[in-house]
Amino acid sequence: KNQVEQSPQSLIILEGKNCTLQCNYTVSPFSNLRWYKQDTGRGPVSLTIMTFSENTKSNGRYTATLDADTKQSSLHITASQLSDSASYICVVSPGTASKLTFGTGTRLQVTL
Amino acid sequence: SQTIHQWPATLVQPVGSPLSLECTVEGTSNPNLYWYRQAAGRGLQLLFYSVGIGQISSEVPQNLSASRPQDRQFILSSKKLLLSDSGFYLCAWSVQRTLHFGNGTRLTVT
Repeated sequence: KNQVEQSPQSLIILEGKNCTLQCNYTVSPFSNLRWYKQDTGRGPVSLTIMTFSENTKSNGRYTATLDADTKQSSLHITASQLSDSASYICVVSPGTASKLTFGTGTRLQVTL
Repeated sequence: SQTIHQWPATLVQPVGSPLSLECTVEGTSNPNLYWYRQAAGRGLQLLFYSVGIGQISSEVPQNLSASRPQDRQFILSSKKLLLSDSGFYLCAWSVQRTLHFGNGTRLTVT
């Protein structure tokens, strides 16, 4: 069964600090992995999308890594801001958008 | 640029009442359209997707149905709501690899 597991489930950090979110998957076949940011009560917004051959991809203060051999990905947030408070969802695709497997997300809270 | 509109933002409906949620996409042609449900503590669950007008695929058997009367319009319906239909419903579209989500409808069935 295809699965995406994210850790930690929730995280609280101080503003300005860095953090790393983890995503492990058992989806096969694999085409790409996406990270989404979801603010409370809003729809998810795409942060990055990575294919099999990509190890690292950045989007501003967000940097995603992918190890396709170990089937692990991470999302690193640098110099966190209050606006980073949200849920971060890892999504793995076998190549068909109707067959995506979603993680349950990591809820990040950035505090003063 | 492409935009997706989903309404209403929140809805409270009694058990047994009908449901109609609407989603429209602007700025793109022939998009793939999706309805997802997000339950607390669980990943998004795909309910329906459509690759064209009148073409609907259902992923899970349930109390809901979907229709696509126009190229950029996707409607989620129910004839009689159940308590278990409560949740956060998200419409999404894709043309290439990335899914673009609407802002969702929080449905509470009482």
